[in-house]
Amino acid sequence: NAGVTQTPKFRVLKTGQSMTLLCAQDMNHEYMYWYRQDPGMGLRLIHYSVGEGTTAKGEVPDGYNVSRLKKQNFLLGLESAAPSQTSVYFCASSYDDVNYGYTFGSGTRLTVV
Amino acid sequence: AQSVTQPDIHITVSEGASLELRCNYSYGATPYLFWYVQSPGQGLQLLLKYFSGDTLVQGIKGFEAEFKRSQSSFNLRKPSVHWSDAAEYFCAVGEEGAQKLVFGQGTRLTINP
Repeated sequence: NAGVTQTPKFRVLKTGQSMTLLCAQDMNHEYMYWYRQDPGMGLRLIHYSVGEGTTAKGEVPDGYNVSRLKKQNFLLGLESAAPSQTSVYFCASSYDDVNYGYTFGSGTRLTVV
Repeated sequence: AQSVTQPDIHITVSEGASLELRCNYSYGATPYLFWYVQSPGQGLQLLLKYFSGDTLVQGIKGFEAEFKRSQSSFNLRKPSVHWSDAAEYFCAVGEEGAQKLVFGQGTRLTINP
């Protein structure tokens, strides 16, 4: 059981470069989420999706875009990376009732120089 | 709006000592409550959850939590900690029909040998 898989696990970008983080889940979950985690800031929700073809903004959406073309995949894009986007990014998924809890991926550590 | 407060940013306990991590929530109806653990360099793993019924909930790794409606609290406890319990712990709350959970800021636990 793979659960939630995030790729890549580590990445270093130069300011202004673009990249896409991929989140894939094999649990047939309806909802998917992208969080960033910074020291002392807890988890902050970037974007989320409540089903294939849908996306919604979270607390800190600026500078990021997302797409959910397939139910099992949720992509997070950085069009023009900035040093402030240096962070650890976590993807999570859940059934269409979050009260069963989330399943998290192992994270992507992104450094923007 | 829902909110979750973890009053302690960092707690240090000795190995073998008991542990209590505090979580307070603000929500009108009966909440759905969760504790997650994040070991260094890892994603978040569900420790336990409360939906309804018995207010004392048992989880994995010897942890338990007690829901106290009168105090709006869901504190996590363990009678005797092990060095491997050193991690960050997150409390989260959901509600009926919600599309996402609300997370606390986390409590970092350090274990002294």
